[in-house]
Amino acid sequence: AQRVTQPEKLLSVFKGAPVELKCNYSYSGSPELFWYVQYSRQRLQLLLRHISRESIKGFTADLNKGETSFHLKKPFAQEEDSAMYYCALFNNAGNMLTFGGGTRLMVKP
Amino acid sequence: DVKVTQSSRYLVKRTGEKVFLECVQDMDHENMFWYRQDPGLGLRLIYFSYDVKMKEKGDIPEGYSVSREKKERFSLILESASTNQTSMYLCASSPLAPYNEQFFGPGTRLTVL
Repeated sequence: AQRVTQPEKLLSVFKGAPVELKCNYSYSGSPELFWYVQYSRQRLQLLLRHISRESIKGFTADLNKGETSFHLKKPFAQEEDSAMYYCALFNNAGNMLTFGGGTRLMVKP
Repeated sequence: DVKVTQSSRYLVKRTGEKVFLECVQDMDHENMFWYRQDPGLGLRLIYFSYDVKMKEKGDIPEGYSVSREKKERFSLILESASTNQTSMYLCASSPLAPYNEQFFGPGTRLTVL
């Protein structure tokens, strides 16, 4: 069975500090992973996807198949990055997502 | 701009009541999903539908049913609400092709007393 684990429920950093939100997965096939974000009083929305190899709002995420991880990183956190972040994994058919438990990021001034 | 709307932002019901949560999307997406969102547990899939009148169970379907009579509308039904169904319910939609972005509604916070 596929599983996504985000070990930290809360991550608190100061503005300008580096950020790493951890995501580990278990999956038998070739994983397709995503990060979704929910800002205060806004809808859940896609932040970035592994398949696109993109950087969005300064965030990047690298798939490490050896460690089965897809950690989200940003070199210098901003206050507007404060939000709830969810790592998600597609199933083999590519139609159902399994979400992790989420990490709340708080960036302090 | 994709719009997914949900019928209510807040809902308070009593134990044993039948509850309907409605979701409408305006982007002609084939896939529609219902999740519940609980602190520490993230989002858990209840049901999804890939076409009109088609449905698939997700990870936690017990106590829920769904209806999709029209492509743009996906309803979640709690046949007999219980207190452990108090939660935030999120609807989402996506195009049929695999690995597509899911677009979420604003959520319905349901409280069952």
